[in-house]
Amino acid sequence: EDKVVQSPLSLVVHEGDTVTLNCSYEVTNFRSLLWYKQEKKAPTFLFMLTSSGIEKKSGRLSSILDKKELFSILNITATQTGDSAVYLCAVEIDGRDDKIIFGKGTRLHILP
Amino acid sequence: ETGVTQSPTHLIKTRGQQVTLRCSSQSGHNTVSWYQQALGQGPQFIFQYYREEENGRGNFPPRFSGLQFPNYSSELNVNALELDDSALYLCASSLGPGGANYGYTFGSGTRLTVV
Repeated sequence: EDKVVQSPLSLVVHEGDTVTLNCSYEVTNFRSLLWYKQEKKAPTFLFMLTSSGIEKKSGRLSSILDKKELFSILNITATQTGDSAVYLCAVEIDGRDDKIIFGKGTRLHILP
Repeated sequence: ETGVTQSPTHLIKTRGQQVTLRCSSQSGHNTVSWYQQALGQGPQFIFQYYREEENGRGNFPPRFSGLQFPNYSSELNVNALELDDSALYLCASSLGPGGANYGYTFGSGTRLTVV
């Protein structure tokens, strides 16, 4: 069965800290790995990763994929209270549809 | 601001009733996927519609059904509601069934509570 596992499930840090969120996966036909930020309802897209070892970066956020070890990390440096959210990792399955398997998410809370 | 619109935003139904949720896809998007997100869980794939036909389905019973209209908007219907159907229902549209490459955009969801 395809699965995506995220850790930790929740994390509380102080503003300015750096955090690393983990995502491991086991799927039959991997197409891409996706990271989303979910603050209230609609998940918003952060990164799509398809190749191993190539870091994607957007401001204070960065992510990298290891297709051999089947995991990805999402780093957030110099955290701010606005980074408080649930971060979802998802794997897109290569097939007829766009089926995306999500992890349970990491709930990140940044203390001022 | 998301281009995908879902209605209603909140809904309370009684066990055994039927419900219809609606989704207007982003302009130019012809593919709509529906997800169920229970509290504290990640979204789970229900099914996808492409050009008015079901193009894939997750592990949900037949009482979950859908439609896509010529303007690519979509409906999710759930019959014989159960308490466990209480969740946030998310719709995502894309330019085609070719994956996240095609700009997968989520709506803000419908929060369904079954009592």
